[in-house]
Amino acid sequence: ETGVTQTPRHLVMGMTNKKSLKCEQHLGHNAMYWYKQSAKKPLELMFVYNFKEQTENNSVPSRFSPECPNSSHLFLHLHTLQPEDSALYLCASSQGFGDTGELFFGEGSRLTVL
Amino acid sequence: GQNIDQPTEMTATEGAIVQINCTYQTSGFNGLFWYQQHAGEAPTFLSYNVLDGLEEKGRFSSFLSRSKGYSYLLLKELQMKDSASYLCAVRDSNYQLIWGAGTKLIIKP
Repeated sequence: ETGVTQTPRHLVMGMTNKKSLKCEQHLGHNAMYWYKQSAKKPLELMFVYNFKEQTENNSVPSRFSPECPNSSHLFLHLHTLQPEDSALYLCASSQGFGDTGELFFGEGSRLTVL
Repeated sequence: GQNIDQPTEMTATEGAIVQINCTYQTSGFNGLFWYQQHAGEAPTFLSYNVLDGLEEKGRFSSFLSRSKGYSYLLLKELQMKDSASYLCAVRDSNYQLIWGAGTKLIIKP
């Protein structure tokens, strides 16, 4: 138990579906992150929110849309995805963006796009 | 460009010692992290080095040489539960984390 909870753990969707991934952290942290993890590749940072403000968007396609309603919750809205988007999506939090503290990760949402 | 290199896979024997190397080329340096990730689970923090030298934490130690752009994670008295992927990450001058692709460690009885 890392204090970061992600739902759903597994998701299968068609290319025309719309779905959302949810992340909740119970650690009182101010920064939250979405990462994409593909087999045998480095973690890819997608989005960063610091004090609810988006500070990073690493050229992520618009079919991925983040939402951060408060410092404890983070969503990733998905629509018209491609098969190559199939991956493990990890949410993480830290005390603040840019500090020297560690990241606390959720267990991830395994996404399969058919 | 920025790059982190670590071996893709390593195999070791229960009770033995294994060293996982990580070399990096980044725009600046503000610390190096090691994370452990068991299959199907969240990555969890193992160690943080910002100064040269060895940091010891129980069976695990992490070493850093900033001049060589090099770190290693040393695991002693290996146990079957140490079978996992080990991720090396460097924080660059913009405080962005640059990740390696991870080293899958297989422990055999």
